[in-house]
Amino acid sequence: DVKVTQSSRYLVKRTGEKVFLECVQDMDHENMFWYRQDPGLGLRLIYFSYDVKMKEKGDIPEGYSVSREKKERFSLILESASTNQTSMYLCASRQGGGSGLETQYFGPGTRLLVL
Amino acid sequence: QKEVEQNSGPLSVPEGAIASLNCTYSDRVSQSFFWYRQYSGKSPELIMSIYSNGDKEDGRFTAQLNKASQYVSLLIRDSQPSDSATYLCAVEGNAGNNRKLIWGLGTSLAVNP
Repeated sequence: DVKVTQSSRYLVKRTGEKVFLECVQDMDHENMFWYRQDPGLGLRLIYFSYDVKMKEKGDIPEGYSVSREKKERFSLILESASTNQTSMYLCASRQGGGSGLETQYFGPGTRLLVL
Repeated sequence: QKEVEQNSGPLSVPEGAIASLNCTYSDRVSQSFFWYRQYSGKSPELIMSIYSNGDKEDGRFTAQLNKASQYVSLLIRDSQPSDSATYLCAVEGNAGNNRKLIWGLGTSLAVNP
């Protein structure tokens, strides 16, 4: 059974704090993604990684950074949390280099509140 | 800018009816198309994927793809209250190894008992 896990389901942080969100997948997938989801704005891609130590900016990378030191783990870092980063954060993974019909699997999400 | 568009809804259907969800996309070279279901407070999960023009059926779900019209739809037969959720359309945006999906904003479906 495929699995993507995220380190926290709920998180409350103060403005200015450094925040780490971690994601682990057990499917040996090359591609991993970080999204945020806000009402009316849908899923927005923050960063993705297609290999260890490789990353590309998504649509809204400002205020975020990522780290992928091991294939199974992809971390999202909020360098200095701000209230406008309050959101649901979703990690996902997907096999690469195949037919294009590979499923993208999501973790359960982390609901982050920045006060 | 590559786009995927869906009617936000809410789409309301009675129990037992057919629900029809629609999605259009702008990138003519897109090859793979996906429908995900998302319950409130949960993460998206795959319902159907489709690659070829025509219909693909899986139980009560049918995906329909028309690449000439850049249109993909999802039909849900014998709708149940448990089908009430937001349905997200996704289109594969890039060729190559680092494939990303381009997401629509989703259509909210309410199935009334």
